[in-house]
Amino acid sequence: DIQMTQSPSTLSAFVGDRVTITCRASQSIGNWLAWYQQTPGKAPKLLIYQASSLGSGVPSRFSGSGSGTEFTLTISSLQPDDFATYYCQQYNNRWTFGQGTKVEIK
Amino acid sequence: EVQLLESGGGLVQPGESLRVSCAASGFTFSDYPMAWVRQAPGKGLEWVSSISGSGVTTSYAESVKGRFTISRDNSRNFLYLEMNSLRAEDTAIYYCAKDLVGGWEPAAFDVWGQGTMVTVSS
Repeated sequence: DIQMTQSPSTLSAFVGDRVTITCRASQSIGNWLAWYQQTPGKAPKLLIYQASSLGSGVPSRFSGSGSGTEFTLTISSLQPDDFATYYCQQYNNRWTFGQGTKVEIK
Repeated sequence: EVQLLESGGGLVQPGESLRVSCAASGFTFSDYPMAWVRQAPGKGLEWVSSISGSGVTTSYAESVKGRFTISRDNSRNFLYLEMNSLRAEDTAIYYCAKDLVGGWEPAAFDVWGQGTMVTVSS
């Protein structure tokens, strides 16, 4: 199975900061990568699919990049609603999630 | 509006069985593969199983293979997960999710239900 590793596990930031989360795959997955946002008590929400395509209704401050084994999610200017846990997911060969990155208020 | 609504969760003893359901609305259900994803308390997301739009093709995580069965009723727009020989480590919120694209193609999950809690404990 393909393993997904996110870094960092926790990130502390201020409102307005630029934030970057990294996701690495244990083998090449092309661009078959998605990013999800989850707030406490809620279901995950699709942010990015196919590594860089913005999900429906997702603000443009979110962007994704990468291919092969290394990917990033960037939030250009962190907003109060963005404090949440973020997961990457590969869907090249079945489906695997990263362990999550919690974005906290600094 | 596209909606998924899970039901059927509860408290069961180790070794028992349980079936959780997901009612879909707002889209042509039979056109899309569907999935179950679970989340243990305080933990991350784990893909459990997926099924093609027709129901012919299925896939399972190694952790549940041979114990869980995914199925769907396209006439009623329902997705199911039959869980047998339940273990404490199966305790989790179970979410159903819709594939972003139709066909048995690589796809992210664009719509999620609110989840149903399954607790396995004696």
